[in-house]
Amino acid sequence: DAGVTQSPTHLIKTRGQQVTLRCSPKSGHDTVSWYQQALGQGPQFIFQYYEEEERQRGNFPDRFSGHQFPNYSSELNVNALLLGDSALYLCASSLAGSSLQPQHFGDGTRLSIL
Amino acid sequence: AQSVTQLGSHVSVSEGALVLLRCNYSSSVPPYLFWYVQYPNQGLQLLLKYTSAATLVKGINGFEAEFKKSETSFHLTKPSAHMSDAAEYFCAAGRGGGSNYKLTFGKGTLLTVNP
Repeated sequence: DAGVTQSPTHLIKTRGQQVTLRCSPKSGHDTVSWYQQALGQGPQFIFQYYEEEERQRGNFPDRFSGHQFPNYSSELNVNALLLGDSALYLCASSLAGSSLQPQHFGDGTRLSIL
Repeated sequence: AQSVTQLGSHVSVSEGALVLLRCNYSSSVPPYLFWYVQYPNQGLQLLLKYTSAATLVKGINGFEAEFKKSETSFHLTKPSAHMSDAAEYFCAAGRGGGSNYKLTFGKGTLLTVNP
């Protein structure tokens, strides 16, 4: 049973560029959430996708956008990259429903901005 | 806004000693509560979750946590530390319905286990 997979594992970009990160949820999951983890900090919620729509959003600028595809996979796009965008980007998946379902995390994409 | 506070950014214990990692949340209504562990260069692995069914929650690898509403705390414990427990631990709170919740994380506690 494949868990959450993210690609690429590492990425180096320069300021002003754009980047796309990808996430495949755990088998059977339909909800994807994205988090940013700066060095030495806890993850911060960016947004959540369900049924191909953004359902919740954290305190991140519009430069951060996303998409969810019919197969539940998701992309995170960041435009006009800043040095402060350097971080580990984590994708988490879960199954929507009335009862609490924990979020399962991938190993992340390490993004470095030069 | 909800917040999660982890007291102690670094905890060091000897192998075989008790592990106690502290977590407090700020909310008048108890949220969902979780403990995750992160090993170097990896994502987060769920240790345990609080769902209001029981105040003492047992997780994987011998860890457990006790929910205390009066103290707004959800501290993580393990009776006897093992070298393999060395990692960063994150407490998180979630609010919402079903699985439509976002997690608010603490800043993490790095656990070191000395031989």
